[in-house]
Amino acid sequence: SYELTQPPSVSVSPGQTATITCSGEKLGDKYACWYQQKAGQSPVLVIYQDNKRHSGIPERFSGSNSGNTATLTISGTQAMDEADYYCQAWDSSAMVFGGGTKLTVL
Amino acid sequence: EVQLVESGGGLVQPGGSLRLSCAASGFTFSSYSMNWVRQAPGKGLEWVAYVSSSANTIYYGDSMKGRFTISRDNVKNSLYLQMNSLRAEDTGVYYCAREIVGATDYFDYWGQGTLVTVSS
Repeated sequence: SYELTQPPSVSVSPGQTATITCSGEKLGDKYACWYQQKAGQSPVLVIYQDNKRHSGIPERFSGSNSGNTATLTISGTQAMDEADYYCQAWDSSAMVFGGGTKLTVL
Repeated sequence: EVQLVESGGGLVQPGGSLRLSCAASGFTFSSYSMNWVRQAPGKGLEWVAYVSSSANTIYYGDSMKGRFTISRDNVKNSLYLQMNSLRAEDTGVYYCAREIVGATDYFDYWGQGTLVTVSS
């Protein structure tokens, strides 16, 4: 079965750029999306179709996908961005999630 | 406003059954594919099942096949998940999620979740 791999944790200072990666075999041939989940809340769609922001998502969030890696970039990271982030892709009649990355804003 | 409200969670013994419901409002339910996604305590998201808008197509995650059944009622604007032969590892929060199907597939709205605890 298809697998997506994310780093368990990423740390960033306020105002800096956070980069979260998601790796999978030929992931660039599929579309990737990203969800944000804050503590005790439901997931929220952030990025879909590799690089499109969902409605209401700030411009500081951006995405890319090429080769075997999709990337979520948060420019000018704010304290409110501290959350778990999950990548997702569709493969052979199944939705696949990455294991999640905990973003800490120090 | 799109709303998805899950219900039916609770404490059940191993081997038991539970039926989850998801009430949808604020959109034309019959036009959208729907899914169940779960999250074990302290763990990541796991896709459970998919049903197309007309229920013609259904898919399940590998560990759910043969035990779980997804269904929908487009008159009642409701999504269901019948869970049988429950195991301790089925414990978690179960979310219903609306899916956008097209060139790409993703979940644009999620419910608040309902907690299922499988324990003796």
